[in-house]
Amino acid sequence: KAGVTQTPRYLIKTRGQQVTLSCSPISGHRSVSWYQQTPGQGLQFLFEYFSETQRNKGNFPGRFSGRQFSNSRSEMNVSTLELGDSALYLCASSLDTGGQGEQFFGPGTRLTVL
Amino acid sequence: QQQVKQSPQSLIVQKGGISIINCAYENTAFDYFPWYQQFPGKGPALLIAIRPDVSEKKEGRFTISFNKSAKQFSLHIMDSQPGDSATYFCAASMLGNEKLTFGTGTRLTIIP
Repeated sequence: KAGVTQTPRYLIKTRGQQVTLSCSPISGHRSVSWYQQTPGQGLQFLFEYFSETQRNKGNFPGRFSGRQFSNSRSEMNVSTLELGDSALYLCASSLDTGGQGEQFFGPGTRLTVL
Repeated sequence: QQQVKQSPQSLIVQKGGISIINCAYENTAFDYFPWYQQFPGKGPALLIAIRPDVSEKKEGRFTISFNKSAKQFSLHIMDSQPGDSATYFCAASMLGNEKLTFGTGTRLTIIP
């Protein structure tokens, strides 16, 4: 069974631009979560989608948004990029067992904002 | 507000020794405590997890010890091997919630 895939793997943008990252969950997984990983702040929860609905949201500004499609694939968008948005963005999928099951992470998208 | 505190930040252990990483949490609503292992260039991968109804869980060389009254849990890696060199994260979540709150991570290095 294929794992979680994320595209692109690397991205370089400049301040003020916007970016869209994509995540394909493991087949059959309906919950997709996004995390931001930085050396300073560690792993921080961005949001979670289930059945095309945002079910949970972390403490990030409105410039960060996401969506989920009917096939469970998810995208996240960051508008008006800032230098501090440089990070590894990780997507995780799960079977949705009520928050007590394993989350499978993808390899991440490394975003660099210049 | 950091809800899961992890220590140490880095750890060097000799091959064959025991690696111990500690975490403490504040939110008593947490009831699922996984440990993740991350290698450079990879996403985190679940290593082992525990729920507060047990005080210890062992899987191979990996053991979680859990102290509900102290709100602390720890990962023990027995007979540590160079292949265990990675960054380890503890995490916590609440019932019915997929959101994981992570610790700050421990970079473990196993030396020959």
